[in-house]
Amino acid sequence: NAGVMQNPRHLVRRRGQEARLRCSPMKGHSHVYWYRQLPEEGLKFMVYLQKENIIDESGMPKERFSAEFPKEGPSILRIQQVVRGDSAAYFCASSPDSSSGNTIYFGEGSWLTVV
Amino acid sequence: DAKTTQPTSMDCAEGRAANLPCNHSTISGNEYVYWYRQIHSQGPQYIIHGLKNNETNEMASLIITEDRKSSTLILPHATLRDTAVYYCIVRRARDNTGKLIFGQGTTLQVKP
Repeated sequence: NAGVMQNPRHLVRRRGQEARLRCSPMKGHSHVYWYRQLPEEGLKFMVYLQKENIIDESGMPKERFSAEFPKEGPSILRIQQVVRGDSAAYFCASSPDSSSGNTIYFGEGSWLTVV
Repeated sequence: DAKTTQPTSMDCAEGRAANLPCNHSTISGNEYVYWYRQIHSQGPQYIIHGLKNNETNEMASLIITEDRKSSTLILPHATLRDTAVYYCIVRRARDNTGKLIFGQGTTLQVKP
């Protein structure tokens, strides 16, 4: 059973460009979470999605960031007009559902560098 | 969310048991205790979770006190590869978000 797959693993963008990070959840998982980890800092929750729905986006920056989880295909975290402060590791996680007894599993992350 | 308190750092000798404590005195009755770890430059790795009873799997044991206000993660025979940041997290169950809120965790250094 493949784990949570993220790509690209490493992405370099110039300031002002767009970054798209993709996440394929584990088989049978319909819930996706995105987290960000700035250099030398902790993991911060960004957004929680189910298929075609955003459930909780309380951690998303108000501008330039968006996320989707379409009926078909991977979840996408999109960052428009990137700035140097967006340089971070972005982790995707998935779970079968949101009840407390169901475990959330993480991918290996996508490292974004803005130059 | 119930908050957790963990020591900032701990050392452990290779081959010895590593006991990582966590306080969660405001935990609610239907909230689980989860443990994850993050090895440098990798994604967080699930270790174990529990509600009331002690739990054991191939990686670790989780001991939860009877009043559920604290717990201990035990790595029975620590190796150098267990060096990581360990996170104790109480997962919300009052609504349907189910998200994990990470604190600063405990940096465990396993030494030869």
